[in-house]
Amino acid sequence: DVKVTQSSRYLVKRTGEKVFLECVQDMDHENMFWYRQDPGLGLRLIYFSYDVKMKEKGDIPEGYSVSREKKERFSLILESASTNQTSMYLCAAGSTNEKLFFGSGTQLSVL
Amino acid sequence: AQKITQTQPGMFVQEKEAVTLDCTYDTSDPSYGLFWYKQPSSGEMIFLIYQGSYDQQNATEGRYSLNFQKARKSANLVISASQLGDSAMYFCAMTLNTNAGKSTFGDGTTLTVKP
Repeated sequence: DVKVTQSSRYLVKRTGEKVFLECVQDMDHENMFWYRQDPGLGLRLIYFSYDVKMKEKGDIPEGYSVSREKKERFSLILESASTNQTSMYLCAAGSTNEKLFFGSGTQLSVL
Repeated sequence: AQKITQTQPGMFVQEKEAVTLDCTYDTSDPSYGLFWYKQPSSGEMIFLIYQGSYDQQNATEGRYSLNFQKARKSANLVISASQLGDSAMYFCAMTLNTNAGKSTFGDGTTLTVKP
């Protein structure tokens, strides 16, 4: 089975810190995604990437950036963390029009 | 822009009964895929079932079936013979074939199976 690994399960950061969330897939999927999940709001797409060095904004990109230097790795960056970015972050990988494989999520708390 | 609507925040069903979780979608693109995922309290997202927009028959996977009504833009999930382990959050999602696999999710439905 495809494995998508997120570097941290829980993370606590301070307001204003630069935060890196890492995601690695062990298959050759071209597409990778970052979502945030908040109660009652479902999964909202932050950014996605369909190839190395290619990225596109999702529905809520403000305050975030991403990096995809290698096909297997997709990083989410919070340039200056704020309390409203406290959330569960889910990384996913997949091929176009096929099911997504998700990581186990990172619960980020910004104090 | 594509949109997924799940109108049932929470649903209850008696063990061994069938339950339908609603999902409507909105897109002007003719080529897309519809997915259902299950998220138990452990947090992992589990793929359940897939329906392509050009598929003539409704998808089935074991106890899961997808009631696909293209003209109504609905893709309801039917779970037959509910089990206690089906208690979870369920998400409907849509992917456009022309948009590098970008997947849009609904807000989810929390299903509780009663013994």
